[in-house]
Amino acid sequence: DVKVTQSSRYLVKRTGEKVFLECVQDMDHENMFWYRQDPGLGLRLIYFSYDVKMKEKGDIPEGYSVSREKKERFSLILESASTNQTSMYLCASSFPAGAYEQYFGPGTRLTVT
Amino acid sequence: GENVEQHPSTLSVQEGDSAVIKCTYSDSASNYFPWYKQELGKGPQLIIDIRSNVGEKKDQRIAVTLNKTAKHFSLHITETQPEDSAVYFCAANGLTFGKGTHLIIQP
Repeated sequence: DVKVTQSSRYLVKRTGEKVFLECVQDMDHENMFWYRQDPGLGLRLIYFSYDVKMKEKGDIPEGYSVSREKKERFSLILESASTNQTSMYLCASSFPAGAYEQYFGPGTRLTVT
Repeated sequence: GENVEQHPSTLSVQEGDSAVIKCTYSDSASNYFPWYKQELGKGPQLIIDIRSNVGEKKDQRIAVTLNKTAKHFSLHITETQPEDSAVYFCAANGLTFGKGTHLIIQP
């Protein structure tokens, strides 16, 4: 089975802190994605990556950056956390490139106070 | 870019009845339409998908229909069971998601 793991289930950070959310997949997938999930808004794509060291902006990239130094790991970075970034963050992976099933991690619930 | 509308936001049905969730999309070039189920405390999981060269696909109690002309697709769940209670998301091309439908199965 494909496994996508996220470094934390719950995280509490203070406004202005730099926050790292880590995601690891074990199926050698080419593609990895970061979404945020908010009540009534569904899943919104922040960033995605089709290859190592490659990244593409999604629909809501402002305030976020990403890093993909290894194929299995995709990190989401909040450079200076703000309260409006309090949300559930979901990582996903898929293979091959293009429109195929995504496998999601369990999510990280981030609270910024 | 693509835009996906999903209705209803909440759906309550009696156990054993059928449930239908509908989505519309805006980009006629979209060709992949997955449906995901998200249970409490878990990430979404694919339950069925359809590609634009097919009009309907079934998997046991679950079916998806696609109308390319009207740019809408629907999820049909028959003989609903308590374990079907969850949030369901549609997506177009796998990257643009609807806002979700909270399906409640009443015993």
